[in-house]
Amino acid sequence: QVQLQQWGAGLLRPSETLTLTCAASGGSFSDFYWSWIRQSPEKGLEWIGEISHGGGTNYNPSFRGRATISVDTSKNQFSLKLTSVIAADTAVYYCAGEFARSFHIWGQGALITVSS
Amino acid sequence: DIQMSQSPSSLSASVGDRVTITCRASRAISNYVNWYQQKPGKAPTLLIYGASNLQSGVSLRFSGSGSGTDFTLTISSLQPEDFATYYCQQSYSTLMYTFGQGTKLEIK
Repeated sequence: QVQLQQWGAGLLRPSETLTLTCAASGGSFSDFYWSWIRQSPEKGLEWIGEISHGGGTNYNPSFRGRATISVDTSKNQFSLKLTSVIAADTAVYYCAGEFARSFHIWGQGALITVSS
Repeated sequence: DIQMSQSPSSLSASVGDRVTITCRASRAISNYVNWYQQKPGKAPTLLIYGASNLQSGVSLRFSGSGSGTDFTLTISSLQPEDFATYYCQQSYSTLMYTFGQGTKLEIK
């Protein structure tokens, strides 16, 4: 059974870059697409984007230009970079594994706060 | 974008009750709807995929139905562990996944 463990800096200043990494263990990394999803009281659950184990990406247009998702298949890890963060980017960020168009696996979540 | 509208936004019910949550898509999406359960401080977990398929390990109390624009999640006999927030998600548009706003199920 695949499990996800995520980590990254929790407190950012406006204009800084958010960086989160998620590591998969216990299963086949190539079976899934890997996504980042965030959750805030204001906007609920928002899908940010996804990457395949081959490196192909797809982004929510709302984040295109600011979000970059990358993969390191040698480590079974994938990462999110979100540039020029603002207070509205404050949220709990989840990594998730997608199989057959549904999110079967989720990381534990990371609260990211953007504040000056 | 395909918008997903859930109703009700909150619901009070008692143990043993049968509960139905509805999700409506802004346009027809075949059966590309998934349902998730989220408990406070935890990540969502997948309950139903493809509108009506029960995820492995999920209780048979949960069922899903619908096609096109209207979908339902039904819990046949509420148990204490079912009190949580439920979300629908459309996977018809693989370029842009979207979620409903959630239904909070509380104990009456």
